[in-house]
Amino acid sequence: EAGVAQSPRYKIIEKRQSVAFWCNPISGHATLYWYQQILGQGPKLLIQFQNNGVVDDSQLPKDRFSAERLKGVDSTLKIQPAKLEDSAVYLCASSSEVGDRFFGPGTRLTVL
Amino acid sequence: DAKTTQPTSMDCAEGRAANLPCNHSTISGNEYVYWYRQIHSQGPQYIIHGLKNNETNEMASLIITEDRKSSTLILPHATLRDTAVYYCIVRRDNFNKFYFGSGTKLNVKP
Repeated sequence: EAGVAQSPRYKIIEKRQSVAFWCNPISGHATLYWYQQILGQGPKLLIQFQNNGVVDDSQLPKDRFSAERLKGVDSTLKIQPAKLEDSAVYLCASSSEVGDRFFGPGTRLTVL
Repeated sequence: DAKTTQPTSMDCAEGRAANLPCNHSTISGNEYVYWYRQIHSQGPQYIIHGLKNNETNEMASLIITEDRKSSTLILPHATLRDTAVYYCIVRRDNFNKFYFGSGTKLNVKP
């Protein structure tokens, strides 16, 4: 079974620039999550999709972060404009109805 | 959701059992205990979960106290590849949200 795919694996940008991350979940998984993991901390949920609808985006900084999941499969997370404190690993995960999450390898973002 | 408390770090000798404790004193009756681990530069990986009874799978064993206020994850024969951050999480039955704490950094040493 193929896992959760993410790209790019690494990204370096300057503050105030824009960046986008892509996630392809495990086939058939209806639920997709984006997490932010700052160095030394556990992952923090940013947004959760059920198919192509948003279930929870309470922790998403909506003034600069946006996410979409068109057609209920792939998803993109965008930051515009980026700040220094956005430097983190961005993890995508997916789950079936049972709820056990499978995580991708993450995208490491460095904002200079 | 109930919060969890874990030691910041632990050491274990290779080949020995690693016992990772977790306190979840405010756990409610319908909350499961989940364990994930995160190896360096990878996403978290599911290990095991349980409600009341002890559980065992090919990776680990989970021992939950009778009052369910604490649990222990046991890696019976730790290897160097088990070096990772281990997260203990509680989540409600049929409610998908759960939150990661800071976890325990397990260092398996030769």
